[in-house]
Formats: sequence, C-alpha cells, structure tokens
Amino acid sequence: NAGVTQTPKFQVLKTGQSMTLQCAQDMNHEYMSWYRQDPGMGLRLIHYSVGAGITDQGEVPNGYNVSRSTTEDFPLRLLSAAPSQTSVYFCASRARVQETQYFGPGTRLLVL
Amino acid sequence: AQSVTQPDIHITVSEGASLELRCNYSYGATPYLFWYVQSPGQGLQLLLKYFSGDTLVQGIKGFEAEFKRSQSSFNLRKPSVHWSDAAEYFCAVAPEGYQKVTFGIGTKLQVIP
Repeated sequence: NAGVTQTPKFQVLKTGQSMTLQCAQDMNHEYMSWYRQDPGMGLRLIHYSVGAGITDQGEVPNGYNVSRSTTEDFPLRLLSAAPSQTSVYFCASRARVQETQYFGPGTRLLVL
Repeated sequence: AQSVTQPDIHITVSEGASLELRCNYSYGATPYLFWYVQSPGQGLQLLLKYFSGDTLVQGIKGFEAEFKRSQSSFNLRKPSVHWSDAAEYFCAVAPEGYQKVTFGIGTKLQVIP
C-alpha cells in the first residue's frame, strides 16, 4: 500500500490563480480530511468527508472547495488563491471511528 | 466546541532524561484524545490514542499518556528520551464520533547530549 499520497509537494501560485491539491489513499478508508498547518497555530481542519458523495466543513473552510466522487480521492480546490492561503496542507484518512488517522506527506503552497 | 491547550511551545531535555509534555483539553463529555509526532518536513504520525477504558495508554516508541478527567489533561510521558525523539508533538481532541479533530499548537522538543 502507498498509504496517503499528495501531489504536488510544492507549488507557487500568484494571487487570484486557481489550483487543485490532490489527495489519494489506497486503503479503502471512508473518512478523509484536509488540514492546513501554520506556524504557531497547529493543524486546522478545512473540510472532511465521511464517504463518497458526503463532505462537510471544518474549522476554516472559506476559500476552499472539496468533492468526493470516489472512495480513493479527495481533492482540495482553491478557486482564487490569496496570500493568506500560504501554508502546508495535509490530507489524512482513516477507516472508521476509533481507527488510526494516517497523514500524507503534505503540500507546501506559497501564494505571492 | 472542543479546544486543546499545549502550554509549552518549546522544551529542551537532555538525552536520557525523562520527559513530560502537557496537554489540557476543553470538552463537555468524554473526548477522544490523541498524541501525534511530526519530524521536520514530514507528516504526522500517531503515537497513541485514548477512547475509553484504562486511563493510562501505551503508545509507540516507548511513550505513554494518562487521561485525567478531573484535570482535563492528557499528558505525554517518556522515561528516557533519545536524540531521535527530537520533533514536534501535537495533542488533539475529538468528540465522540470522531468527526472533527482539533489540534493543539504543538510542543517542539529539543534533545541535547
């Protein structure tokens, strides 16, 4: 198993550009989440999904969209990037309640 | 809504010394509690978790944590620290049902010879 994979590893965007951060898992996990990590703020939940076709907002959802058309993939879309979205983004997945949450290696995003 | 406080942003310990990282949470009922470790440039790895039952939880890499309901705490301990334990440690809390996980701001551990 590859576990949780994220692409790209690093991306530079200009303000106003759009992009999609990819996240995939090959463990057949139902639950998937997106977090952003900023210095001094820990990880904050952006969006999460409890299964294909089901998504919900986390703590900081503004400026981000998600969809979950398959169990394996959970892309995060930035519609119009802003400098405040400069961060490291982590995707995570787990099988079900009370199971371990596995994190991807992260995507480092810089918005100029 | 739940919240987590890690009062120590940075801790330095000598190799071989004992370690305790503090974590306090705020949640109305019995929460799910976690400790994660993050090495530089890496994702997070779960050290241990508490859902119910025995309040002393054993994890990987020789770590343990104790859930104390009366103090709303879930402190992480290790009897003897190794240089490879230098990393950032995050405490996290989730409500029963485990839908939304809230992380603390992290404690950066430095290990000196």
